[in-house]
Amino acid sequence: DAKTTQPNSMESNEEEPVHLPCNHSTISGTDYIHWYRQLPSQGPEYVIHGLTSNVNNRMASLAIAEDRKSSTLILHRATLRDAAVYYCILRYPFYRDNYGQNFVFGPGTRLSVLP
Amino acid sequence: GAVVSQHPSWVICKSGTSVKIECRSLDFQATTMFWYRQFPKQSLMLMATSNEGSKATYEQGVEKDKFLINHASLTLSTLTVTSAHPEDSSFYICSARKIRPDDIETQYFGPGTRLLVL
Repeated sequence: DAKTTQPNSMESNEEEPVHLPCNHSTISGTDYIHWYRQLPSQGPEYVIHGLTSNVNNRMASLAIAEDRKSSTLILHRATLRDAAVYYCILRYPFYRDNYGQNFVFGPGTRLSVLP
Repeated sequence: GAVVSQHPSWVICKSGTSVKIECRSLDFQATTMFWYRQFPKQSLMLMATSNEGSKATYEQGVEKDKFLINHASLTLSTLTVTSAHPEDSSFYICSARKIRPDDIETQYFGPGTRLLVL
C-alpha cells in the first residue's frame, strides 16, 4: 500500500468547518482513499472512502484532487465530539488481496476542537 | 454500520498470569480479524491477522507463543497474552473485516481492551 502524509495536529473552533489534508503522491490507479478516526480511548471508526469523485456521507465529505495525489476530509461543522485522531489510509480493492493484508495506520492528524 | 465487541474492556493482572481477550463481530460474519496494540500517544500497530479455521499470521517481532490467537468461528477471535509482564501493558484493539458489494474492504473496530500488568 502506498504511503500517506498528514499534519501531526490541527485545531478548529466549534461549529466551524475543518479541512484535514492528506498527501499520497505515490497512489496507484486502483488505490482507494479511506479515512478512519479514533476518539480518545476507543477503537477507530470508519468515516468515509473514495476513489476519484468527491464523496459525501452523514459524517463528512471527501474531496479528492484531480490527479489523486492528495485528498481532504471535510467536517462541515466541527463539534467537541469530533476531537480525535484522523487517519488517511490507502487500500487496494479486496480482489487484489490474496493474503489478508491489512490497513497500515500512520500517526494521523490529532484534531482539537475549541469551544 | 457493523458492530464489533471486545471483552473485557479493561483488565488488571499480576505479572506472570495469562489474560484472554475476546473479539466478536455481532451482526456479520468475519473470516478475517486483526489484532492491534497501541501504546500511549502512538498509532495502532498490527500484531497479527486471524483467519477463521487456520493459524494466525503474526507481524515481524510479535512472539506467537506469547500472544496466542484463536479464530474458532466466523464471529469470534480470541487473543491470549501468556505470562504477561508489565511491558505488555497496552491498549489492545481488534477489528473485523467486511467486504462491501463493490469489493471495497471496511474494517470495523472493537472498543479496545486496556491491559495493565502489575
